[in-house]
Amino acid sequence: EIVMTQSPATLSVSPGERATLSCRASQSVTSNLAWYQQKPGQAPRLLIFGASTRATGIPARFSGSGSGTEFTLTISSLQSEDFAVYYCQQYNNWPEFTFGPGTKVDIK
Amino acid sequence: QVQLVQSGAEVKKPGASVKVSCKVSGYILTELAMHWVRQAPGKGLEWMGGIHPEDGETIYAQKFQGRVTMTEDTSTDTAYMELSSLRSEDTAVYYCATASCGGDCQGAWFDPWGQGTLVTVAS
Repeated sequence: EIVMTQSPATLSVSPGERATLSCRASQSVTSNLAWYQQKPGQAPRLLIFGASTRATGIPARFSGSGSGTEFTLTISSLQSEDFAVYYCQQYNNWPEFTFGPGTKVDIK
Repeated sequence: QVQLVQSGAEVKKPGASVKVSCKVSGYILTELAMHWVRQAPGKGLEWMGGIHPEDGETIYAQKFQGRVTMTEDTSTDTAYMELSSLRSEDTAVYYCATASCGGDCQGAWFDPWGQGTLVTVAS
C-alpha cells in the first residue's frame, strides 16, 4: 500500500498570507494526485487533480505542483473561507487509493 | 450538475449490517462511477471501493473484501453500500462520491461527494 504523509499537521496563517502545504508518497505516484478541502461538518471538495489541474470552479489562488513522491498545494492569499482541513489522495493504481492524514489550516 | 443525496443516520449493534443509499440527481447513474469513502470521527478519509469508470467492474479495497457490497438500482438512480459484521471501529461518516479518471485511467479522483451518512455501531 502507498502511504501518504502530509506536513505540517497544522498550519497557522494570517488572512492574506500565503500557505504552502506538503504531501509525500511512500513511492512514486507520477502525477496521479488530488487535493481536497474539508470544512467542519461538510463533505470534502475536490480542489486539484493530476497534481496541478484545478477542478471546475476552484479559484486561481489554489495551485498544485509536484510529481513522483513530493507534492505541494499553495494558497496564494488566504481568504477567510479557506480555513479548513486539506487532504491529498494518490490514485496511481487500482484498487488501492489512499489519502494523507490531512493538514489543518487555521487562523493565526 | 450532479447532486448526490444520502440516506439518514443509522445506529446499529455489533454484528449487524447497514445499507446506506445515495440518490443521484441531475445525471443518470449508469453514466457515473460511484465510489464510497468513510471517515471515522476526528480521523482521515478511507477509500472503500467503487466502480471502475471504464470497464464498469466493482472494485473493493482489500480491507473490506467480503464485508462490503456496492450495488445500484438504475430504475431510481440510487447507489447502495452495504457493510456487514459491523464492529465499533466501523463507526464513521460514509460518503458516496463520483469518480473520474484521466486518459490512462490508472486511478480516480472524486467529485462531487454526497453529504455523508453517520453510522454508529454500539451495543
